Amino acid sequence: DAGVTQSPTHLIKTRGQQVTLRCSPISGHKSVSWYQQVLGQGPQFIFQYYEKEERGRGNFPDRFSARQFPNYSSELNVNALLLGDSALYLCASSLGQGVWETQYFGPGTRLLVL
Amino acid sequence: KNQVEQSPQSLIILEGKNCTLQCNYTVSPFSNLRWYKQDTGRGPVSLTIMTFSENTKSNGRYTATLDADTKQSSLHITASQLSDSASYICVVSASIGNKLTFGGGTRVLVKP
Repeated sequence: DAGVTQSPTHLIKTRGQQVTLRCSPISGHKSVSWYQQVLGQGPQFIFQYYEKEERGRGNFPDRFSARQFPNYSSELNVNALLLGDSALYLCASSLGQGVWETQYFGPGTRLLVL
Repeated sequence: KNQVEQSPQSLIILEGKNCTLQCNYTVSPFSNLRWYKQDTGRGPVSLTIMTFSENTKSNGRYTATLDADTKQSSLHITASQLSDSASYICVVSASIGNKLTFGGGTRVLVKP
């Protein structure tokens, strides 16, 4: 069985550009969460989507947006990129949205903003 | 503000030795606490999950403890192996708000 997949694996952008990251959850999982992990730190929660609706949002600016599609895959969009957006972006899927659900993480997309 | 603090930030141990990682949290109201292992370049993988009523839980050579009164948890690695080299992240869930609070992680390097 495939785990959580993310694309692309690596990405280089310049300041001011826009980026779209993609995530496919484990089959049967309806919840997708996005995290930003800066080098040397723990992940920071960005969004959670469940059944195509936003169910949680972390302390990130409006430049960050996301959506979930009918097949439960998800996209994270970041506009007007800043140098500080350089990080590993992790996607995690779970069966449901509750805090008891085990989240399964993908390998991440490493974004470098120059 | 919900916070999770881990210590030490990093440690180096010799293969075969034991080590203990610490996690202190201020998340309230508490729901559960997880320890994740994150290999370099990979996403985190769940090791254990504990509720306030559980004091100890093991997963192979990994043993987690929880003291809900003092809001502290520890992860003990027994007879370390080279493959234990990774970051270990403590994650605490609140029963309200549906959010996870991640600690900064402890980077463990096991040397032969």
